[in-house]
Amino acid sequence: DGGITQSPKYLFRKEGQNVTLSCEQNLNHDAMYWYRQDPGQGLRLIYYSQIVNDFQKGDIAEGYSVSREKKESFPLTVTSAQKNPTAFYLCASIWPGRGSTEAFFGQGTRLTVV
Amino acid sequence: AQKITQTQPGMFVQEKEAVTLDCTYDTSDQSYGLFWYKQPSSGEMIFLIYQGSYDEQNATEGRYSLNFQKARKSANLVISASQLGDSAMYFCAMRDEGAQKLVFGQGTRLTINP
Repeated sequence: DGGITQSPKYLFRKEGQNVTLSCEQNLNHDAMYWYRQDPGQGLRLIYYSQIVNDFQKGDIAEGYSVSREKKESFPLTVTSAQKNPTAFYLCASIWPGRGSTEAFFGQGTRLTVV
Repeated sequence: AQKITQTQPGMFVQEKEAVTLDCTYDTSDQSYGLFWYKQPSSGEMIFLIYQGSYDEQNATEGRYSLNFQKARKSANLVISASQLGDSAMYFCAMRDEGAQKLVFGQGTRLTINP
């Protein structure tokens, strides 16, 4: 079945450590996105990528980095520069054609800094 | 810059009543798409409905309809005959067809009372 897989579901990190969240899709989508969601809040865009080897900063990119070496994969690294990384992270992909009606989302990764 | 505004942090509705969730947007793009998503307490994102900026008719999907007023830059979601299972967070989102940036509003928490 086609879909998006995020791993792990839960992640604990010590302060000062970098951590990488995985996002893989087998939908053949070009566009992929990373969002951060804090309790009771909306989704804020961290980074997005339209094609392989290209990505753009979203609204809250500071303290995060991404890569897009393969169409299927868009990993997010939360660096030690991110001062408040505890949050729920969602990855999405979408076929970018005009009128494409749906973004597919992963199940999310809940990151906790301990 | 794109921006989505949802001005209702919380809504309380009696079962079987209709409910309208407000969404206004701001963009300089001529071609864009508007989405509504439902997020239950599990955290998954469930696609509800899509409206393209060039679509002349309002979108409908079962009990969901989108009241699209382009001149006012509004894209309100209407849920007819609400059910207890409709209780969730609801997000309005917009994607510009050029850069493919997909941004979300702050969300509205809908609670359906029996």
